[in-house]
Amino acid sequence: KQEVTQIPAALSVPEGENLVLNCSFTDSAIYNLQWFRQDPGKGLTSLLLIQSSQREQTSGRLNASLDKSSGRSTLYIAASQPGDSATYLCAVKGISGTYKYIFGTGTRLKVLA
Amino acid sequence: GAVVSQHPSWVICKSGTSVKIECRSLDFQATTMFWYRQFPKQSLMLMATSNEGSKATYEQGVEKDKFLINHASLTLSTLTVTSAHPEDSSFYICSAPGLAGALDEQYFGPGTRLTVT
Repeated sequence: KQEVTQIPAALSVPEGENLVLNCSFTDSAIYNLQWFRQDPGKGLTSLLLIQSSQREQTSGRLNASLDKSSGRSTLYIAASQPGDSATYLCAVKGISGTYKYIFGTGTRLKVLA
Repeated sequence: GAVVSQHPSWVICKSGTSVKIECRSLDFQATTMFWYRQFPKQSLMLMATSNEGSKATYEQGVEKDKFLINHASLTLSTLTVTSAHPEDSSFYICSAPGLAGALDEQYFGPGTRLTVT
């Protein structure tokens, strides 16, 4: 059974810092991994999608990497801003059965002005 | 990108009543949709996989008689919480895979906040 863990569970940093969020998964047989952002009381905003054959994806100040063999992904946020404050979730899509996503435990990020 | 909508966005109901939540794929067809539940300050937990024209597949520990799923068309799946109780209060989110199938991303609805009093 796939299990997805995110470290740290919570993070508080001053504005301008570069930071790394970690996601690990137990079953490396995945199609892809997706990073999301969730603001309090809101739905999900897709940030980056990495296919299993890819090593990284970039969008603006965000860079996500994937090491499928070791079951790890990182989300790098450059020059953090208070507007980046949110919960970040990673989710993996397994290759068996349907295209369901298993979500990680989440990292609650607070960027201080 | 593909758009998934949910209705209602929030609902308050009394204990013992049933509540129906709709999930629609607006600009694409989805033979499969997924229902998630999220309790406060927790991550999303997959409840069930909704299959168009056939029975839903429930995750372990999810009561299929309590959470009725109907996927009547290629663009609509409904989740009915029967005999709701306060512990069913949660944020319910649906999703559908994009048309590229396995390699495509998941598209999520905006969620429905259910409060049972």
